[in-house]
Amino acid sequence: AQKVTQAQTEISVVEKEDVTLDCVYETRDTTYYLFWYKQPPSGELVFLIRRNSFDEQNEISGRYSWNFQKSTSSFNFTITASQVVDSAVYFCALSESGYGSARQLTFGSGTQLTVLP
Amino acid sequence: ETGVTQTPRHLVMGMTNKKSLKCEQHLGHNAMYWYKQSAKKPLELMFVYNFKEQTENNSVPSRFSPECPNSSHLFLHLHTLQPEDSALYLCASSHDRGDTEAFFGQGTRLTVV
Repeated sequence: AQKVTQAQTEISVVEKEDVTLDCVYETRDTTYYLFWYKQPPSGELVFLIRRNSFDEQNEISGRYSWNFQKSTSSFNFTITASQVVDSAVYFCALSESGYGSARQLTFGSGTQLTVLP
Repeated sequence: ETGVTQTPRHLVMGMTNKKSLKCEQHLGHNAMYWYKQSAKKPLELMFVYNFKEQTENNSVPSRFSPECPNSSHLFLHLHTLQPEDSALYLCASSHDRGDTEAFFGQGTRLTVV
């Protein structure tokens, strides 16, 4: 069975601080996919990034960066120079589905990030 | 424009009512999903449809009844709900491939009174 753990329930930072959201996952599959989603107060989950299990390269997109480490089963997300608009709930998710099957995402419980002005 | 549209955005219903939630996607995806998001709980997968066929029912009570007439539309029919069913119901869609992400609608905030 697959499992995603986001130990940080709530984080508060002051604007312009860097913040890292932790994600630890469990799976028995050798091929899997990891995701981060952002959920603003409007409710919609906004896709941020997908990472394949066979690609351990870290990724940077503007102020966002992701650190994928298979050795520790972690996929952490860092926001640099945080802004008030970054305030949202962030979800880490895992999928083991392959071709020909519908995706079944297992989500972590989410981390509520509040960026204070 | 998210590509996945859910209606209504808010719904208040009594325990004896019958209502339906609607989801529509214009992304050309083959798979559609219903998720339930309750306060302080992880997102729970309820139903999965792949090419209009239901492939997953995660022990959801029969008072929730999904319908998928085609790959672009998904409904969730509700009847005789309980107050604990109050939650945000999210619809999502994706290709049936592992290397793609799911796209979500904005959800329907359901309150059962």
